Amino acid sequence: QKEVEQNSGPLSVPEGAIASLNCTYSDRGSQSFFWYRQYSGKSPELIMFIYSNGDKEDGRFTAQLNKASQYVSLLIRDSQPSDSATYLCAVNMVNNNDMRFGAGTRLTVKP
Amino acid sequence: DVKVTQSSRYLVKRTGEKVFLECVQDMDHENMFWYRQDPGLGLRLIYFSYDVKMKEKGDIPEGYSVSREKKERFSLILESASTNQTSMYLCASSFSEDRDPYEQYFGPGTRLTVT
Repeated sequence: QKEVEQNSGPLSVPEGAIASLNCTYSDRGSQSFFWYRQYSGKSPELIMFIYSNGDKEDGRFTAQLNKASQYVSLLIRDSQPSDSATYLCAVNMVNNNDMRFGAGTRLTVKP
Repeated sequence: DVKVTQSSRYLVKRTGEKVFLECVQDMDHENMFWYRQDPGLGLRLIYFSYDVKMKEKGDIPEGYSVSREKKERFSLILESASTNQTSMYLCASSFSEDRDPYEQYFGPGTRLTVT
């Protein structure tokens, strides 16, 4: 089992819809979870991080964490064509200073 | 604003050449990382460093070495470049785990082609 797993997609949603991106992780002791957005040909940029179970909202983005089920998700409300990108889930592993990334989910928002 | 810079955006090298990729960050981050990113494989950690002169192997260190002589600079070295090292190389930096926030900030990437 990979340490961090994401559905590679592509995920296609119409403009204005909610996009839901999911991620599961293997290390039950993981404490910190991050969502990065990566446009084609560009480097990843941080969207959100979450440490505690539950929801965390930032504008149109909501991160959800369920440590018991070992999954973290990202919801994008009112999706825009400019949200079209690859979304990377990242997890800080227990007792490590490094971070493990999922392979990313490619999102396309159609006008 | 955090700034992570990499020495080259595009690089073309021949098989067997020694290749140096440099990364500099200006945020006084303790941690620095080198990844390579390939289609379908995502980001894979090559090496990371949590302090000057300290280094730890990541998932795919074979064929690479690193150097961190100063806190702000982390170099990736391909001792003898091979075609299977053609990839996008991304440098990142972060504060250490006990300083918040410690998310990683990425440089623009170096697309290396080995012919």
